[in-house]
Amino acid sequence: DGGITQSPKYLFRKEGQNVTLSCEQNLNHDAMYWYRQDPGQGLRLIYYSQIVNDFQKGDIAEGYSVSREKKESFPLTVTSAQKNPTAFYLCASSLGSGTDSPLHFGNGTRLTVT
Amino acid sequence: GQNIDQPTEMTATEGAIVQINCTYQTSGFNGLFWYQQHAGEAPTFLSYNVLDGLEEKGRFSSFLSRSKGYSYLLLKELQMKDSASYLCAVRGSSQSWGKLQFGAGTQVVVTP
Repeated sequence: DGGITQSPKYLFRKEGQNVTLSCEQNLNHDAMYWYRQDPGQGLRLIYYSQIVNDFQKGDIAEGYSVSREKKESFPLTVTSAQKNPTAFYLCASSLGSGTDSPLHFGNGTRLTVT
Repeated sequence: GQNIDQPTEMTATEGAIVQINCTYQTSGFNGLFWYQQHAGEAPTFLSYNVLDGLEEKGRFSSFLSRSKGYSYLLLKELQMKDSASYLCAVRGSSQSWGKLQFGAGTQVVVTP
């Protein structure tokens, strides 16, 4: 079955450490995205990528970095510069740049930084 | 700026109908999506509207009025499994097609 896999489901880190969240898709989708979800707020876009080796900042990119070396993979690094990293992180993909392409989401990674 | 508003919570009984409203103010408009999200899980796609009118998909229907910046999701014959958060999301101008803007979600509680 095709889908998006995020790992791990739960992640715990100490403050000051960088951490990388994995996202892999086998849907052959061109576009991939990272969102952050906090209680009482809508999903906020961190980074997105339309094609391999290209990515764009979203609305809250500060303190995060990404890479897109392969079509299937879009890892997100939460750096120590991110002031409030504890959140639920969702990776998504879509077929392309067509406006009617829905996003397909992974099951998320819940990151807790203490 | 961009703004998407939807009610925080709605409660309805099993078998009833619930209508979740969404109003939006965005830079350009290239479609509105509704997603369902159960607690701790991934959002799943429900519907897409880009033209005015009603789209029906089984027990779920979604309506759009672009002139009013308004959409609603109608859930009919409610079942207990419909208890979830429902997210309204708008795709803005084509220059920023990747930036799907989400509302905070409406938590629907279905009671027996």
